[in-house]
Amino acid sequence: DGGITQSPKYLFRKEGQNVTLSCEQNLNHDAMYWYRQDPGQGLRLIYYSQIVNDFQKGDIAEGYSVSREKKESFPLTVTSAQKNPTAFYLCASSIGGRTEQFFGPGTRLTVL
Amino acid sequence: KNQVEQSPQSLIILEGKNCTLQCNYTVSPFSNLRWYKQDTGRGPVSLTIMTFSENTKSNGRYTATLDADTKQSSLHITASQLSDSASYICVVGGLGGYNKLIFGAGTRLAVHP
Repeated sequence: DGGITQSPKYLFRKEGQNVTLSCEQNLNHDAMYWYRQDPGQGLRLIYYSQIVNDFQKGDIAEGYSVSREKKESFPLTVTSAQKNPTAFYLCASSIGGRTEQFFGPGTRLTVL
Repeated sequence: KNQVEQSPQSLIILEGKNCTLQCNYTVSPFSNLRWYKQDTGRGPVSLTIMTFSENTKSNGRYTATLDADTKQSSLHITASQLSDSASYICVVGGLGGYNKLIFGAGTRLAVHP
C-alpha cells in the first residue's frame, strides 16, 4: 500500500476506553491525513498535518486527537468523547498539501 | 454545499463485459477529479487524476472522462475481469491551502464469471 502502514488491522475496545491507531509512512511525504469511512458514505476528513509539529482539524475532529512529532508518524487517538467510534479508519500521505494522496490499508475499529 | 454523487450504488456484470460508472459533483471552485479503486477492507488506490482542462484519461482498461461544464465524470471499464470487483470512488479536489478532497460514497461493482 505505497509505503504506508497502519496497525493494527482490527481493533476491539470497550466503550469508554481511549484507543490509539498507528500510521507510519516511509515515502518522505510532508503531509498526512486521517479519514473515517462508514458504510454508504464517502470518506470524511478527521485531521490533517502539512508539516511536523503542526496539524489542523478536518470536518469531523470532535472526539479525536492527533500528534505529529515525527515526519514518518501520525497517530490518531479515538477518545471516549467520540460518540460513535466504530468505523474503518484510513491514513493517507502526500508529498505536499495539494498532491496525490496515497492511502494505507486501514484499521477497522469496533467498540463493544 | 460541496457534494459528490455517484451512480449506481451497486452494479453486477458478467466477466468480459464493459460498464460505465457515473459521478456528478457540485464542488466549487474545482481543482481536479480523481477515481479510486477500493478492494473490500483495503485502502483506496488511485486510478486516474484529471484537471479541469482534461477531458479524458486512461489507465489500462480504465478510462475516465470529465465534462467540467456539466460537472460530470464517468469511469468506463473495458473487458471486465473478476479482479475488478471492488468499490470505485469518485473524489473531487477543491481549491485551498491544503488538499481538500470531497469523496463520493462509491459504486460497488461485482464481476461474476
